Amino acid sequence: GENVEQHPSTLSVQEGDSAVIKCTYSDSASNYFPWYKQELGKRPQLIIDIRSNVGEKKDQRIAVTLNKTAKHFSLHITETQPEDSAVYFCAAHSGAGSYQLTFGKGTKLSVIP
Amino acid sequence: GAVVSQHPSRVICKSGTSVKIECRSLDFQATTMFWYRQFPKQSLMLMATSNEGSKATYEQGVEKDKFLINHASLTLSTLTVTSAHPEDSSFYICSASPWTANYGYTFGSGTRLTVV
Repeated sequence: GENVEQHPSTLSVQEGDSAVIKCTYSDSASNYFPWYKQELGKRPQLIIDIRSNVGEKKDQRIAVTLNKTAKHFSLHITETQPEDSAVYFCAAHSGAGSYQLTFGKGTKLSVIP
Repeated sequence: GAVVSQHPSRVICKSGTSVKIECRSLDFQATTMFWYRQFPKQSLMLMATSNEGSKATYEQGVEKDKFLINHASLTLSTLTVTSAHPEDSSFYICSASPWTANYGYTFGSGTRLTVV
């Protein structure tokens, strides 16, 4: 099955700086890679996603890049703000007729004012 | 669009009792729904895949007789934790997807289960 590795587990940045979170996946058939933001006690919220036919996608301060050959994808947050502080999860859709998402272990991002 | 509703949001129950959690897709039909468990400061772990009109598929290590899943309609899946014990205390969350070009997976609001 799919295995998703996520790094780092914790990340602290100064307000205004950029944050980068990286994930790797094992199943070359995976074709959909969402990123979720989860605040304490709340549901994960989809913040951006990318499909395997695209190498990069951007939405305001958030961008995701995908390298299919290397089987890794990254989340980039620019001009970080305190409200960006949360736990971020990457995930990979297993493909091949399955609708399961496999999640990384999460990254706790702290933006220091 | 793609709204998933989950109830209850919090429940406290005594050891040995059963608790039912509901997951509804409000504006789309979901032949497949997913149930996750999340322990504090950990990631979401898939427990089972709920399939409308057929048996659920459980992940390795998840007791199907303890975590009963029923997906009787295209908009409702239920998870029943039977004979609950304190170690079953966790955050349970469901998700579903209309799987169109514009929508990925949407999560319910989660259920905080505390077994005392």
